[in-house]
Amino acid sequence: QSALTQPASVSGSPGQSITISCTGTSSDVGGYNYVSWYQQHPGKAPKLMIYGVSNRPSGVSNRFSGSKSGNTASLTISGLLAEDEADYYCSSYTSSSTLVVFGGGTKLTVL
Amino acid sequence: EVQLVQSGAEVKKPGESLKISCKGSGYSFTSYWIGWVRQLPGKGLEWMGIIYPGDSDTRYSPSFQGQVTISADKSFTTTYLQWSSLKASDTAMYYCARLGGGNSLGYWGQGSLVTVSS
Repeated sequence: QSALTQPASVSGSPGQSITISCTGTSSDVGGYNYVSWYQQHPGKAPKLMIYGVSNRPSGVSNRFSGSKSGNTASLTISGLLAEDEADYYCSSYTSSSTLVVFGGGTKLTVL
Repeated sequence: EVQLVQSGAEVKKPGESLKISCKGSGYSFTSYWIGWVRQLPGKGLEWMGIIYPGDSDTRYSPSFQGQVTISADKSFTTTYLQWSSLKASDTAMYYCARLGGGNSLGYWGQGSLVTVSS
């Protein structure tokens, strides 16, 4: 199956809000409310930030929020902090046998 | 506390075999899918495949089918990723992760760095 489509990079200034998109198909993003978002800092394992489109795990800042419309999911980070600079990946349940498909990743730069 | 602890870094030569591990603890090992993720140097996350230790149901992404083998040993609460003949292009960080609520990967291993070089 094809990877989900994310922008390669986004940037924003401290305090601003940014949105990262994740586009799939009706076989993954559009067909199920099982979109997750992960944050990965250099040299670290990915960390779950959003699951089930818009749910935050315990301990994740409420500056992170998720949404979905049709085949496109979005991650919004408000009140940008320097520590938010990282790579972000979306994933979705897929009706293919492998259950999971990732996006290509987006590098967030905090200016 | 849920933990996934992976085996250490490996340096191998092309053509050699390798098996890396991911030991789960703090939860019912047989009740959750465990997936493997490849990250090539400087690149994104790639889904390799997944196994359900309860019945060893195993699924592979098309790009990895026939290239690796995923297995699990319930007695040791450990899942494995193995290669029969490594290539230089297998040089990467490999993560295991547990599939949980909302089809999310809420718990990750620390990663196993595999370097294949002659």
